[in-house]
Amino acid sequence: DGGITQSPKYLFRKEGQNVTLSCEQNLNHDAMYWYRQDPGQGLRLIYYSQIVNDFQKGDIAEGYSVSREKKESFPLTVTSAQKNPTAFYLCASTEGNSPLHFGNGTRLTVT
Amino acid sequence: AQTVTQSQPEMSVQEAETVTLSCTYDTSENNYYLFWYKQPPSRQMILVIRQEAYKQQNATENRFSVNFQKAAKSFSLKISDSQLGDTAMYFCAFSLTPAEYGNKLVFGAGTILRVKS
Repeated sequence: DGGITQSPKYLFRKEGQNVTLSCEQNLNHDAMYWYRQDPGQGLRLIYYSQIVNDFQKGDIAEGYSVSREKKESFPLTVTSAQKNPTAFYLCASTEGNSPLHFGNGTRLTVT
Repeated sequence: AQTVTQSQPEMSVQEAETVTLSCTYDTSENNYYLFWYKQPPSRQMILVIRQEAYKQQNATENRFSVNFQKAAKSFSLKISDSQLGDTAMYFCAFSLTPAEYGNKLVFGAGTILRVKS
């Protein structure tokens, strides 16, 4: 079955460490997205990529970085510069004007 | 910039009854999509319904329907015959068309819906 796989489901890191969240899709979608979800704030766009080797900042890109070396993969790195990294992270993909298809998310806790 | 506002942080409804969730948005564009997504406790984001702004007819999906008022920039979701499985966080979302704008979704803060037996 086609879908988006985010791993791991739960991730724990110490403050000051960079951490990379994985997002893989086998839907052959060109566009991929990273959203952050905090309680009471809905989802906010971190980065998105419409094609391989190209990506754009979203509304809250500071402290994050991404790469898009392969069509099926769009990893997100949460750097030590991100002041409040504990959150739920959702990856999504789409093609054309189709609705976004979401992964199951990664809960990141930084202590 | 586009914004989406959901003014009801929490709502509850009795099983089998009807409930309406409110959403307003702000944009200066004429062509766009509006969505309702459901996020159950599993936290999986599930598309409930989509409305294209150029279509005057309100979208429906089984027990879910919308009341799209373009001039008022209002997009409410009606759930009929509420079921326990409808208990979830509901997000209203907006995106511009066409796809070259990036299909970026702008989300509201969400409404927690609890269906009581």
